[in-house]
Amino acid sequence: KNEVEQSPQNLTAQEGEFITINCSYSVGISALHWLQQHPGGGIVSLFMLSSGKKKHGRLIATINIQEKHSSLHITASHPRDSAVYICVGSYNTDKLIFGTGTRLQVFP
Amino acid sequence: NAGVTQTPKFQVLKTGQSMTLQCAQDMNHEYMSWYRQDPGMGLRLIHYSVGAGITDQGEVPNGYNVSRSTTEDFPLRLLSAAPSQTSVYFCASSRGRRGFYEQYFGPGTRLTVT
Repeated sequence: KNEVEQSPQNLTAQEGEFITINCSYSVGISALHWLQQHPGGGIVSLFMLSSGKKKHGRLIATINIQEKHSSLHITASHPRDSAVYICVGSYNTDKLIFGTGTRLQVFP
Repeated sequence: NAGVTQTPKFQVLKTGQSMTLQCAQDMNHEYMSWYRQDPGMGLRLIHYSVGAGITDQGEVPNGYNVSRSTTEDFPLRLLSAAPSQTSVYFCASSRGRRGFYEQYFGPGTRLTVT
């Protein structure tokens, strides 16, 4: 069983909608990363957080250590946000466990 | 800065052939990693390096070799390709340990072994 679970696996939205992607992990982590993989395959790191909340533009990431849960929110979604979003748990300074990703499609 | 570059972008091999996937970064990062990505699975770590001359195995190292003679380059060698090695391969680098620093990924190499 993967120690990092994401939901939903697939998500479709209309442009402008508020989007939430969830990530749960089964044991304690040192930090949690969110990655974005574009349709062409390239992977970009969006956030790394170990507590609280971070914001970058229309993207917001939160983490609740007690509940072992993180969320990635996208406000005012746009078709260019269409991508696979990957949650990654860091279990010590080197070990990473990757979620299988959430495929998001935003339609105009 | 070019960031992390990988060559080739696509490759088809026959079973038993060998090849080297190239990876280079120009950010002077000490940490570099190779991952493979298979459908329905998360990225899995093959090998990693914490600096020139230092490499170690990840989760799925069998069938692959690496070396790190310079800070910039981290090639991945497939010794005798097998169909199970059909995958997309990503190289990544980071300023420090993967868990606590942002990783920069290359564009990937799509490998098919027939």
